[in-house]
Amino acid sequence: QVHLVQSGAEVKKPGSSVKVSCKASGGTFRNYAINWVRQAPGQGLEWMGGFIPPFGPTNYAQKFQGRVTITADESTTTGFMELSSLRSEDTAVYYCASQPLVLVTDLGVGAFDIWGQGTMVTVSS
Amino acid sequence: DIQMTQSPSSLSASVGDRVTITCRASQGINNNLAWFQQKPGKAPKSLIYAASSLQSGVPSKFSGSGSGTDFTLTISSLQPEDFATYYCQQYNSYPYTFGQGTKLEIK
Repeated sequence: QVHLVQSGAEVKKPGSSVKVSCKASGGTFRNYAINWVRQAPGQGLEWMGGFIPPFGPTNYAQKFQGRVTITADESTTTGFMELSSLRSEDTAVYYCASQPLVLVTDLGVGAFDIWGQGTMVTVSS
Repeated sequence: DIQMTQSPSSLSASVGDRVTITCRASQGINNNLAWFQQKPGKAPKSLIYAASSLQSGVPSKFSGSGSGTDFTLTISSLQPEDFATYYCQQYNSYPYTFGQGTKLEIK
């Protein structure tokens, strides 16, 4: 079963960028999509986008289009989420979540199964 | 975008109770619905996929049902470790969307 370990907490200035990593182990990297979900303090879960290996496609929530880039490095079995033009409202815990490919179904993917431990990103001047 | 509406937003129950949480989609999502449990300061945990199938290792006290637009999560014989916030999520189409969450508290 896949195990996901994320990079550590970040403190960023408004207007800067942050790149969070998600290292996968224990499974076959190509068999999973990697999704990113964030949770602002005291708020619910918000899907940002996801990458289907090994060459995409990458799907993004409209809200983050143009500001977020989701990629993956198969050689290191690591997924990445980079968010630019940071503002205070981006202060949140960012999670990666794996989503198995289920090619026999119409969707081609299943539900999220494994989650990373989360990465706190604080945006403050 | 598909809107997911959970009810109730919060729920008080006692140890040993059976509770049901409802999730409604603004349009049909077949059975492409998942449920997650989240405890304070922790990552979400996947409970149910395809509306009614238990993720590996999830106890059978959790059950899900529904298809189309209306879904339920039922938790039987509540134990102290079950008090948490529960979210539904549709993965039928992009953008994936979550319900607003249901906070289950001890009465």
